[in-house]
Amino acid sequence: NAGVIQTPRHKVTGKGQEATLWCEPISGHSAVFWYRQTIVQGLEFLTYFRNQAPIDDSGMPKERFSAQMPNQSHSTLKIQSTQPQDSAVYLCASSANTLYFGAGTRLSVL
Amino acid sequence: TQTVSQSDAHVTVFEGDSVELRCNYSYGGSIYLSWYIQHHGHGLQFLLKYYSGNPVVQGVNGFEAEFSKSDSSFHLRKASVHWSDSAVYFCAVSADTNAYKVIFGKGTHLHVLP
Repeated sequence: NAGVIQTPRHKVTGKGQEATLWCEPISGHSAVFWYRQTIVQGLEFLTYFRNQAPIDDSGMPKERFSAQMPNQSHSTLKIQSTQPQDSAVYLCASSANTLYFGAGTRLSVL
Repeated sequence: TQTVSQSDAHVTVFEGDSVELRCNYSYGGSIYLSWYIQHHGHGLQFLLKYYSGNPVVQGVNGFEAEFSKSDSSFHLRKASVHWSDSAVYFCAVSADTNAYKVIFGKGTHLHVLP
């Protein structure tokens, strides 16, 4: 069991470019979560899937951010027209009961 | 809406010392409380969780936490810390009516000196 796998570990984009972050949950976990972590805001809930269906995206910025889970083996978080304030560590977690986190993707928007 | 507060941003102790990391929450109903640890450059790892029953719960690596309804607290303790315990510790809460939505505190950075 490799745990939750997130790729890439680091991504650098220019302002206005698109960024796609990938998450492979633990096999058999039906719930997948995305969080954003910054020094100032701490850990912020973004969105949640159960059995691939979007359940709660109340934490997602309404513009530019979208998340999908096309199959049970991966989820993506896409940020269009990235801005410097999007710079953060984006954490994916999967759960059968407790949360198991990936190592995160550090996004730096220049 | 549930909230969670960790009053200490940084705690520094020497190896072998005991430590208590504080967590207070607010919520009117039944609640899940948990602690996670994050080493630098890694994701969060689950330490322990409380929902009901014995208010003292045991976790991995000698950690334990005690729930107090009267104090609205769920403090994390360890009797004798090791340098490898240096990390950021997050307290987390979720309402049993919405258990998937876990709200994290800002974290406490534990520094263990040799």
